[in-house]
Amino acid sequence: AQRVTQPEKLLSVFKGAPVELKCNYSYSGSPELFWYVQYSRQRLQLLLRHISRESIKGFTADLNKGETSFHLKKPFAQEEDSAMYYCALRNNNDMRFGAGTRLTVKP
Amino acid sequence: GAVVSQHPSWVICKSGTSVKIECRSLDFQATTMFWYRQFPKQSLMLMATSNEGSKATYEQGVEKDKFLINHASLTLSTLTVTSAHPEDSSFYICSARSISGEVTDTQYFGPGTRLTVL
Repeated sequence: AQRVTQPEKLLSVFKGAPVELKCNYSYSGSPELFWYVQYSRQRLQLLLRHISRESIKGFTADLNKGETSFHLKKPFAQEEDSAMYYCALRNNNDMRFGAGTRLTVKP
Repeated sequence: GAVVSQHPSWVICKSGTSVKIECRSLDFQATTMFWYRQFPKQSLMLMATSNEGSKATYEQGVEKDKFLINHASLTLSTLTVTSAHPEDSSFYICSARSISGEVTDTQYFGPGTRLTVL
C-alpha cells in the first residue's frame, strides 16, 4: 500500500532563510510524486511534480529512491511562501496525500 | 489553466436531510473525478473515485449508500450526503483529472464545500 509521511506539522523560518519540507513515501512500484500548496482561503494547487524536474516559485524537489524521499526545498524563503504544503503520491488514479506541513515565514 | 468549480461553497442543513454537492470541470473534460474529505487541521482523505458513466469506487470505510456519487458527464460529478448527521460535517473537496491536451496528467482541485449539519 502506498503511504506518504510528512513528519513536520509545523515549520517556521525567517524570511531569507533556507527551508526544507520533508516528505517520505512507501510504495512498491515506481512512484509519481507531487507537491501541492494551499494558500490561506484558496484551493489546493499543484506546485511541482517529480517528473517535470522543474523549479516553481524557487522551490525544487528531488526524488531520492534510495531514501524514499521527495523533500521540498527553497534556498531563500519569502513571506508569501507561508501556506500549507502537501506531498502526494499517485498510483494510476489513486492520489494519496501526506498530513501536510504548515510553513510560516516570519519577517 | 484548468478550473474546477464546486457548488455550493458552504451549506448548513438539519440532521436527517440530504445534501447534494456539485463538482464541475469548467474548461476541460474529466474522465475521472475524485472526492475528498478534510477535517480541520487534517489532510485530505480520499473518499471515492468516479469515472464517467460507471459506478464510483469507494475507499474502505466510506459508506456508498450514504455518500452517493454520480458522474453523469465528462464535466460534472455530484456527491449526495444522504440522511446527514452532525458527524458528517466536514470540508468536501472534489478533484478532476483531464483526459487530453497539455493538462492530461494533472489533477485539479475544486475550492471545497463546507458542510455543517445541525
